[in-house]
Amino acid sequence: QSVLTQPPSVSAAPGQRVTISCSGSSSNIGKNYVSWYQLVPGTAPKLVIYDNDKRPTGIPDRFSGSKSDTSATLAITGLQTGDEADYHCGTWDYSVRGWLFGGGTKLTVL
Amino acid sequence: QVHLQQSGPGPVKASQTLSLTCNISGDSVSSDSAAWNWIRQSPSRGLEWLGRTYHRSKWNTDYAESVKSRITMKADTSRNQISLQLNSVTPEDTAVYYCARLVGRGAFDIWGQGTVVTVSS
Repeated sequence: QSVLTQPPSVSAAPGQRVTISCSGSSSNIGKNYVSWYQLVPGTAPKLVIYDNDKRPTGIPDRFSGSKSDTSATLAITGLQTGDEADYHCGTWDYSVRGWLFGGGTKLTVL
Repeated sequence: QVHLQQSGPGPVKASQTLSLTCNISGDSVSSDSAAWNWIRQSPSRGLEWLGRTYHRSKWNTDYAESVKSRITMKADTSRNQISLQLNSVTPEDTAVYYCARLVGRGAFDIWGQGTVVTVSS
């Protein structure tokens, strides 16, 4: 069981907006920056958000991130079928002195 | 452009040692602004960070508590690569293993292609 809690799945229609939450604690999200990763079977994970709310070059502005206290959120607007993937949050934890990832949220674009 | 190329056997027998390497191109394993990590993914455990090695005036290595007693990570500056050894593997170690670069305030921005490791009993 992951220390960073994500909903197992979310779904929405093409063109709609979806949010994915990541809940942690004061020893991880509360003290560190959060990043988000897109996992598609058979391909390497892709960084989509870093430093809570920054997008790497090449990631469309339909992807955005935010953080408040011990929780973080990934939002995707204008959903496309190509956005279907598992999304994981990640951050450093001072208590375990290691990197933690959320259990992952499967996004389905209906 | 930074690229990570992984190599190593997929099938491993239980109780034996898993060995993987990650060749780095476009960056240096000795970079003072990056850390080199091993991460695995399995259906039962999701994404699991295993450890990192990095150079900041000296070499440093951190391991996850879950594998600390069985893992060794090394950097080879002559080959510009990192390696992973995981001893006494069990079927629970079956996963896709990735090497990844960590930069900035904490982002894994470059990942290897992944190696499917299957541990058979």
